[in-house]
Amino acid sequence: AQSVTQLGSHVSVSEGALVLLRCNYSSSVPPYLFWYVQYPNQGLQLLLKYTSAATLVKGINGFEAEFKKSETSFHLTKPSAHMSDAAEYFCAVRGGNTDKLIFGTGTRLQVFP
Amino acid sequence: NAGVTQTPKFQVLKTGQSMTLQCAQDMNHEYMSWYRQDPGMGLRLIHYSVGAGITDQGEVPNGYNVSRSTTEDFPLRLLSAAPSQTSVYFCASKNIASGGLLNQFFGPGTRLTVL
Repeated sequence: AQSVTQLGSHVSVSEGALVLLRCNYSSSVPPYLFWYVQYPNQGLQLLLKYTSAATLVKGINGFEAEFKKSETSFHLTKPSAHMSDAAEYFCAVRGGNTDKLIFGTGTRLQVFP
Repeated sequence: NAGVTQTPKFQVLKTGQSMTLQCAQDMNHEYMSWYRQDPGMGLRLIHYSVGAGITDQGEVPNGYNVSRSTTEDFPLRLLSAAPSQTSVYFCASKNIASGGLLNQFFGPGTRLTVL
């Protein structure tokens, strides 16, 4: 069975500061991992995905995530936060032969001027 | 391409009423799915379909029915609405065959309130 745990339901940073959103996964098979972003009153948008190629994955809007098998982590980072990054971020895992995506509970990012 | 469209955007029901949430995609995607989003619960899979005529249950299927008579449409039916079904519902689709297996396109969501 697969699952993801997002540490911290709310994260607040100042504009220009580093963004770090944490995600740990559990999977009995090599996982595929995803980060989605949801802006207020909008649907989900894929930020980036890990599919067993490069462990450092670059996504849209300057975000990136690193797959660390030893730590079972897939944390999302951005070197310098922008006000427009304020949104809710979801980590998700897909594993095995299923097409199902299992989502975390989400982390709401606030960016202060 | 319109992508994934959902109607209605907002709906208020009384307990016991039935209704259908519509989802359509014009990308010829084989795979379509329905999720519900609740605070502190993340997204949970309700039902999914890997092609016309094929549907399967997700994590939280009780109280919902789906059908997939065409590739484009994947309606979600609430048979007898309950307050516990107050949520935001997302439809998603993806192409299984040609490298899009890991990408899902999400609709804008339907906000449902059951009184």
